[in-house]
Amino acid sequence: AQSVSQHNHHVILSEAASLELGCNYSYGGTVNLFWYVQYPGQHLQLLLKYFSGDPLVKGIKGFEAEFIKSKFSFNLRKPSVQWSDTAEYFCAVIRSNYQLIWGAGTKLIIKP
Amino acid sequence: IAGITQAPTSQILAAGRRMTLRCTQDMRHNAMYWYRQDLGLGLRLIHYSNTAGTTGKGEVPDGYSVSRANTDDFPLTLASAVPSQTSVYFCASSPGIRDSNEQFFGPGTRLTVL
Repeated sequence: AQSVSQHNHHVILSEAASLELGCNYSYGGTVNLFWYVQYPGQHLQLLLKYFSGDPLVKGIKGFEAEFIKSKFSFNLRKPSVQWSDTAEYFCAVIRSNYQLIWGAGTKLIIKP
Repeated sequence: IAGITQAPTSQILAAGRRMTLRCTQDMRHNAMYWYRQDLGLGLRLIHYSNTAGTTGKGEVPDGYSVSRANTDDFPLTLASAVPSQTSVYFCASSPGIRDSNEQFFGPGTRLTVL
């Protein structure tokens, strides 16, 4: 069965630290990949997405993600995090029938 | 523009009771979705609708039903609630079912079944 794995359930960082959140998927075909973010008390919203072309995609708020096909990975990165990045981050992949499969999420806490 | 609204915000329900969670969008999106979010499991699709008048089953449809009488509304019904349906429920919509479409989410309904 297709699945999405997020390696860390909880991450705690200090402000200005660099961030990398892992995401791996199990699907051999063409994939469309997403990162969504849920800030405390807010709706889930799209951070960035990959469909084709440049494997390094840039999203909102300084986030970027790199699609590495050979590793089935789509890791999320940010060079310098801020306290306002405290949120839960979800990786997701589109199935062949257009349904999203979600990872379990990573809760990120940034210490001021 | 409100986007997607869900009601109620939260609800405590006795097991065996019937409950309908409401979802309304004002973006004229064709596709709508219901997810449940459980700790450590992420979001799981319950039911979806590609367009008004059609619905489909997602990953965890048992115990739930949906209808899509018009473009804007997509209610989710629990015919006879059980404690395992305690969860946070999110409604979402997208312009269409094509894989390039971003999904937009409502604020969620926190449901507790006792």
